[in-house]
Amino acid sequence: SQQGEEDPQALSIQEGENATMNCSYKTSINNLQWYRQNSGRGLVHLILIRSNEREKHSGRLRVTLDTSKKSSSLLITASRAADTASYFCATYRSGANSKLTFGKGITLSVRP
Amino acid sequence: DAGITQSPRHKVTETGTPVTLRCHQTENHRYMYWYRQDPGHGLRLIHYSYGVKDTDKGEVSDGYSVSRSKTEDFLLTLESATSSQTSVYFCAISGDFNQPQHFGDGTRLSIL
Repeated sequence: SQQGEEDPQALSIQEGENATMNCSYKTSINNLQWYRQNSGRGLVHLILIRSNEREKHSGRLRVTLDTSKKSSSLLITASRAADTASYFCATYRSGANSKLTFGKGITLSVRP
Repeated sequence: DAGITQSPRHKVTETGTPVTLRCHQTENHRYMYWYRQDPGHGLRLIHYSYGVKDTDKGEVSDGYSVSRSKTEDFLLTLESATSSQTSVYFCAISGDFNQPQHFGDGTRLSIL
C-alpha cells in the first residue's frame, strides 16, 4: 500500500512553539499533500509538493519531501491555539488504480 | 471555501433501511468522491466519479452504490444499512485526479 503513515499520532505543544509532523510512505509517488481537519469539519487542503520538489512554503507552513527516504515533514512555525486540529498526509501515484491515499492523521493540540 | 454541500448533516436510521446521502457542488469540478472516516482507519475511499454517469469503486465499496446524473450532484446509497456503516461520510471534489481535493463538512450517520 502507498498509504502515508503520520508520526507522531498526537502532539501537544505550547503556543508560540514550532510543531513538526512526519509522514512516511511505501511506494513511489507523484505528489504528496497535507490537509488539516478541525473538529466536526471537513478536511482542508494545505499544501501540495510534487515528487521533483524538495521543499515548499506557505505562510507559517514548511513542507519537505525526501523521496529517497519516502518521507515528508510538515513544520508549523510559531503555532497558535487556532492551529489545534488533526493533520493528514495523502499520497498520489498515477497509473492503474491511481488515487489519493490518506494516512490516519496526527492530532495537534496547541495550548494557549 | 469551495462550494460543496452535503445533506443531510446528521441522520439516525435503523438496520435494513435504505439511506441516500447527497453531495452538491457549484464548482463544476469533474471529479467527485465519497469517503468514510472512522477512528483508527482514517479516511477511506468508497466510490468516486470522473464524469456524469462515470463512476468507479474505491477500497471499501461493498454495501454502497453511487449515481451521478448531473455534474453537480453525486449520490451515495446504502441499499440496506448495517451497523458497520455507522460513520462520518465526506464528499470531496477536484478538478483532476492528481489535484487537491475540497471537502464538504460531512454527514454523521448512525445506524441502530
